[in-house]
Formats: sequence, structure tokens, C-alpha cells
Amino acid sequence: EAGVVQSPRYKIIEKKQPVAFWCNPISGHNTLYWYLQNLGQGPELLIRYENEEAVDDSQLPKDRFSAERLKGVDSTLKIQPAELGDSAVYLCASSLGTGSWGLFFGEGSRLTVL
Amino acid sequence: TQLLEQSPQFLSIQEGENLTVYCNSSSVFSSLQWYRQEPGEGPVLLVTVVTGGEVKKLKRLTFQFGDARKDSSLHITAAQPGDTGLYLCAGPMDSNYQLIWGAGTKLIIKP
Repeated sequence: EAGVVQSPRYKIIEKKQPVAFWCNPISGHNTLYWYLQNLGQGPELLIRYENEEAVDDSQLPKDRFSAERLKGVDSTLKIQPAELGDSAVYLCASSLGTGSWGLFFGEGSRLTVL
Repeated sequence: TQLLEQSPQFLSIQEGENLTVYCNSSSVFSSLQWYRQEPGEGPVLLVTVVTGGEVKKLKRLTFQFGDARKDSSLHITAAQPGDTGLYLCAGPMDSNYQLIWGAGTKLIIKP
């Protein structure tokens, strides 16, 4: 069974440029998460989807970040315009449900903003 | 303020030694999860503990959930270089199922 697939693995852009990350979760996983992780730190939730619905986006900086999961499967996270402080690893995860269900993570997309 | 405090933040030991890392909170959690993350990879789920006082073993790793479900520990016996990584604990807030994460313990096992 394929795991969570993310792309691109690495992205280097100049500040003020847009960037987009894509995630394909494990088949059958209705819950999808986007996290931001800085080096040596724990993941920080950006947004959580239950199927197509964004049920928790309180930590998403909505002035520059947007996300969508139109058909309840794949998801895209966009940053426009990117700032220097956005440099981080963007992790996508999926799970069968919330609560005690464990998360399965992709390898992450490492963003460097110059 | 971290709802889940992990300690130590960093630990470097020799191969063959034993170690324990901790995940503590003042809040009660219905369950706690432990993950290991290697450089350049996403976190990988190791175990979920659900019952207060529960002990789970995964080869040389022993996980314990505190009786009051406020804390958890991970004990590694005879550590090996392959155990190197960032160990993260996480637990769901019952109010909205948001998963709360600790900052992690960075573990280095030297050959």
C-alpha cells in the first residue's frame, strides 16, 4: 500500500514569489493534515480536513496561505507571497479518523525562501 | 506554554546504554502517541497508549502511560545507532480532537 505522497521534496524560491505543495493521502483516509515543522521542533498544525471540509484552520495565516481539498482526496497548500520566515518543512499527514487514530506522514516538502 | 513537555530536549549516549525520555502534561489525555522522525523524513508512528498504567513493548522500546493519563515515558534498552532520531509525543485534546505535539527529544546514539 502506498504511503502519503508529497511533492515537491525541495523548493527554493525568492521572497514574494508564490509556491504550492501537493499531497496525496493514503487511500481511505478521510482526515488530512498540513503541518509546518522547523528544524528540531515538533510539527505545528496549519489545517485539518475531514473529507472536503476544513474543520480546523485556526492556525493557518490566511493572509498568505490557502489550502484546498476539492474532491476529499488530494490536497494543495499554497503560499502567496512567500516570506523569509516561511522557510520550513511542510508535512502532510493522513489518518483514518481523529482522536486516538495515528497519523501517517509524507516525507515533507522543504521550502527555502531567499 | 507547551501543553506537552518533553525531556530531555537532547540526549547523546553510547551504543549499548539504556535511556528513558519523558512526555509530561498537567492535562489529562485520552491517549498519547509516540513518533520517531529521522532527518529528512516525516514522523513515523511507533505506538499509541490508551489506558492509564498501560505498558507496551516494541522490541527494545518500552512505552508506559501514567496512571493519571497525564504523562508517558519511553525506555530504550541497549540503544543502537539506528535508534537515532527525534522522538515526538502527541495527544488529542478531547474538546476538538486537535492533536497537541511536544517539541521532541533529539536522541543520538554513538557507535
